[in-house]
Amino acid sequence: AQSVAQPEDQVNVAEGNPLTVKCTYSVSGNPYLFWYVQYPNRGLQFLLKYITGDNLVKGSYGFEAEFNKSQTSFHLKKPSALVSDSALYFCAARDSNYQLIWGAGTKLIIKP
Amino acid sequence: NAGVTQTPKFQVLKTGQSMTLQCAQDMNHNSMYWYRQDPGMGLRLIYYSASEGTTDKGEVPNGYNVSRLNKREFSLRLESAAPSQTSVYFCASSEQGAGNTIYFGEGSWLTVV
Repeated sequence: AQSVAQPEDQVNVAEGNPLTVKCTYSVSGNPYLFWYVQYPNRGLQFLLKYITGDNLVKGSYGFEAEFNKSQTSFHLKKPSALVSDSALYFCAARDSNYQLIWGAGTKLIIKP
Repeated sequence: NAGVTQTPKFQVLKTGQSMTLQCAQDMNHNSMYWYRQDPGMGLRLIYYSASEGTTDKGEVPNGYNVSRLNKREFSLRLESAAPSQTSVYFCASSEQGAGNTIYFGEGSWLTVV
């Protein structure tokens, strides 16, 4: 079955430290991968996506993600975390029917 | 810069009542979606419309109906609300194609008592 896993319900990082939010996927064919962020009581905002090409994808707010085909991973990263990065982060992948399969979300908490 | 607009923002319903959530997008997208979000369960697709004139069931369609009124508008109807339908509902839109980004509305908080 096709799936997206975000193995950590919550990630805690000190402000200024690098952050990583993990995502692994299982989809057939070429993967199309997405990261979204959700702030409290708001809709989901698109951060970045991998379609093809360079394995390191840069997105909004200084975030980037690394596509690793052999490990079927698409981890979200940021070199220096801000308190304002605290939010819920979702990873998603397109399946063979072109629908998005969503991970359960990871709550990112950045402590001052 | 409206993007995807959905109404109402908040609604409280009694069990058995009906209501319609409205959604409109101004990005000229072909595809539109309705999702629900519940704690710990991520996003689940209720219905989608790949293009004007078509609608298809998603993962959790029971208890819902949709109408793709035109290219801009896609409504979600609860015919007889149940407490299990208490959730946050998101409308979204995208161009057709696997690599295209989905854009979301701000959400509708629905409580069924």
